[in-house]
Amino acid sequence: ETGVTQTPRHLVMGMTNKKSLKCEQHLGHNAMYWYKQSAKKPLELMFVYNFKEQTENNSVPSRFSPECPNSSHLFLHLHTLQPEDSALYLCASSTHRDYSSYNEQFFGPGTRLTVL
Amino acid sequence: AQSVTQLDSQVPVFEEAPVELRCNYSSSVSVYLFWYVQYPNQGLQLLLKYLSGSTLVESINGFEAEFNKSQTSFHLRKPSVHISDTAEYFCAVSDTSRKGYNKLIFGAGTRLAVHP
Repeated sequence: ETGVTQTPRHLVMGMTNKKSLKCEQHLGHNAMYWYKQSAKKPLELMFVYNFKEQTENNSVPSRFSPECPNSSHLFLHLHTLQPEDSALYLCASSTHRDYSSYNEQFFGPGTRLTVL
Repeated sequence: AQSVTQLDSQVPVFEEAPVELRCNYSSSVSVYLFWYVQYPNQGLQLLLKYLSGSTLVESINGFEAEFNKSQTSFHLRKPSVHISDTAEYFCAVSDTSRKGYNKLIFGAGTRLAVHP
């Protein structure tokens, strides 16, 4: 596997279910991101992890719970979601070498989530 | 706060015709500017970026964008499109003061549909 991978690619769940989305990056990066892409809306940054530490939570409801066990893996645990949470969830990663340059984000293909 | 406006949600165009996808941003600080492309069922790919220097930036597949600071715009152009350019295009800005990891603010996207 190369780049950023996400599993599953598609997920259908009921509002009472608990599920997890997985992201893995094979690029040696140390920053990882979760984005939400809803129809006809801009991509929304949800969480940022840098060296396994959460550095950004963009006022995301607690029914979304991120986990970053190491710099290569990022999870998004889902529980008691609402139909309006249906969206494409994108993971991205980047380097975080220094504070003097731009570090490009590389995106995975996303998980298409449908909440019934 | 920063924001990005993509003025057209959809742009239909015939093959080999020129195209312009418009992007305006608002920011009180210096920014980096980006265009990302998303093909069906795929994640986002960086198409081109403006960090500094020449205000005209080009991609390897014939797209170009020009940073216009006075008009706060970063429009994307291609003189002759192909069927394979059919995709969704996202304009994004990143605050240059947030070095290390980059917080991207995205526009809502423009769907480019190239017809034969």
